[in-house]
Amino acid sequence: DIQMTQSPSSLSASVGDRVTITCQASQDISTDLNWHQQKPGKAPKALIYDASNVETGVPSRFSGSGSGTNFTFTISSLQPEDIATYYCQQYDSLPPTFGPGTKVDI
Amino acid sequence: QVHLVQSGAEVKKPGASVKVSCKASGWTFTSYYMHWVRQAPGQGLEWMGIINPSGGSTTYAQKFQGRVTMTRDTSTSTVYMELSSLRSEDTAVYYCARSLRPLVVVTAISHWGQGTLVTVSS
Repeated sequence: DIQMTQSPSSLSASVGDRVTITCQASQDISTDLNWHQQKPGKAPKALIYDASNVETGVPSRFSGSGSGTNFTFTISSLQPEDIATYYCQQYDSLPPTFGPGTKVDI
Repeated sequence: QVHLVQSGAEVKKPGASVKVSCKASGWTFTSYYMHWVRQAPGQGLEWMGIINPSGGSTTYAQKFQGRVTMTRDTSTSTVYMELSSLRSEDTAVYYCARSLRPLVVVTAISHWGQGTLVTVSS
């Protein structure tokens, strides 16, 4: 199985800050990467697919980049409603695997 | 609009089975593979398996082989996940999720159900 790691495991930032999360795959996954947002007590929500494509309706402050084994997720200007845990997930091969998550606080 | 509506919370005793449903609407049900993912309290996301709603074929995570069964009912656009021989470690929220692209087994996840809490306790 492909292993996914994320860093940091948690972070605290101020409203308006730029926030960056990194995700690393244990082998080349091309751009077969999702980013999901999970707010406390809620179901996950898909934000980004194919490493850099933003789902319809997702605010433009969310973006993703990378390919191969190294990926980055960015919130350009953190908002109070962005408090959540963010997970990367590869779908290059079965089984799909998730990173451990990054908890974002204000 | 894509909707995934799951069945309500369950409390089960160790050794029992649970069957969770996920009713889909807003697209052609048979065109998109469906995943099941679970999340234990305070933990991350764990993929359990995938079902092709068209033919019913399944692929399960090795961890759940022999204990999980995923099925579908095309007449009601519903997928099911049954987990048997429950133990306390199976206490978790179980999610169904839809694939992004039609007719592709390995592709992104685009939509999630609201989740079903299954509690296993004697």
